[in-house]
Amino acid sequence: DADVTQTPRNRITKTGKRIMLECSQTKGHDRMYWYRQDPGLGLRLIYYSFDVKDINKGEISDGYSVSRQAQAKFSLSLESAIPNQTALYFCATSDPTGAETQYFGPGTRLLVL
Amino acid sequence: GQQLNQSPQSMFIQEGEDVSMNCTSSSIFNTWLWYKQDPGEGPVLLIALYKAGELTSNGRLTAQFGITRKDSFLNISASIPSDVGIYFCAGRSNSGYALNFGKGTSLLVTP
Repeated sequence: DADVTQTPRNRITKTGKRIMLECSQTKGHDRMYWYRQDPGLGLRLIYYSFDVKDINKGEISDGYSVSRQAQAKFSLSLESAIPNQTALYFCATSDPTGAETQYFGPGTRLLVL
Repeated sequence: GQQLNQSPQSMFIQEGEDVSMNCTSSSIFNTWLWYKQDPGEGPVLLIALYKAGELTSNGRLTAQFGITRKDSFLNISASIPSDVGIYFCAGRSNSGYALNFGKGTSLLVTP
């Protein structure tokens, strides 16, 4: 089984709808991250969480919110989706001990019409 | 966040050729990472570097942490079709928590 899973893998929604993307991990890592990827722009950080009680905004948090329900779960919400939020979304985890390398989930492809 | 300058943007090579790509930053980093992303998948870590001057290999891949701590290089020797994908560099500074990513190098390998 994959260490970092994301659901759904693909989603089409309409402008103005609320949508939630979910991430679960079995790596036992404290730190979790949400990124979005757009063609030619690489990966940009939306939100990150260092533990269940810690939530921080990343580079591009406007229009997004997150919830850290448990150490293993970190969800990303778009309260009112807009077309320029069409992108590939990745969840990642890391362990603060040692090298803190980040491990990525398989991604969620979101299309906002 | 600090955007890294990754080059080239894309490469189209023949199987068996060697490949070189690099990343530069205006800031000093204490960690450099190289990831590969296959189509439809998330990035997977290839090599991690933690010291200036460090040279690390992973099979046909070799990466170096630049002496100035502002750059890193990835080389792939004797490329094969399964090397196709997007390669990302990522760096982290001493004061930072997050990774700063390059925009990626898209590699195409023809048989």
